[in-house]
Amino acid sequence: DQQVKQNSPSLSVQEGRISILNCDYTNSMFDYFLWYKKYPAEGPTFLISISSIKDKNEDGRFTVFLNKSAKHLSLHIVPSQPGDSAVYFCAASRLAGTALIFGKGTTLSVSS
Amino acid sequence: DTGVSQDPRHKITKRGQNVTFRCDPISEHNRLYWYRQTLGQGPEFLTYFQNEAQLEKSRLLSDRFSAERPKGSFSTLEIQRTEQGDSAMYLCASSVQGGTEAFFGQGTRLTVV
Repeated sequence: DQQVKQNSPSLSVQEGRISILNCDYTNSMFDYFLWYKKYPAEGPTFLISISSIKDKNEDGRFTVFLNKSAKHLSLHIVPSQPGDSAVYFCAASRLAGTALIFGKGTTLSVSS
Repeated sequence: DTGVSQDPRHKITKRGQNVTFRCDPISEHNRLYWYRQTLGQGPEFLTYFQNEAQLEKSRLLSDRFSAERPKGSFSTLEIQRTEQGDSAMYLCASSVQGGTEAFFGQGTRLTVV
């Protein structure tokens, strides 16, 4: 049973436009949500997080939105850059600093 | 370099052999995590430590897997009697206690032939 789902395996966007990556979860006990970016042959790199008491968190070009009633979160990247091309993972945990449950990832391709 | 360090980066072993991986976390981080990632999947949680105490183990961590963090600093993950299904990327991460984000190392790629 997959608790964190990223239903779009891939996304293609033009440079300068907005990239929107989506994530759904099933466990209402999740309190923390994170996005990671991963390049080939490297470990995941932390991007941004949000706790369940918030509905939005922003860091530079990256914004995460959380809709608890829909059990849905999204990552917006504006403007998208070719260097953003990578696999993006959504992850969730019940308590801060405990096990992260990851989705399968979405591969983002940003073309110039 | 003050990031999470894993050694070796790559390991090829014959089925039935034992392997051991090492992880050195970020120095001020007291929590250390092990994950496994296979092709087309996200990382799957295996276990985590707070200092030297192993606080949680996943059902994925069979009896052939053992992890230690004896002095609360570096950690080792041992796989005994390796099987072809153990072929994966083994990722280590660390965080401060109470911190939400974990920082990952570059991983150890295990291939069992």
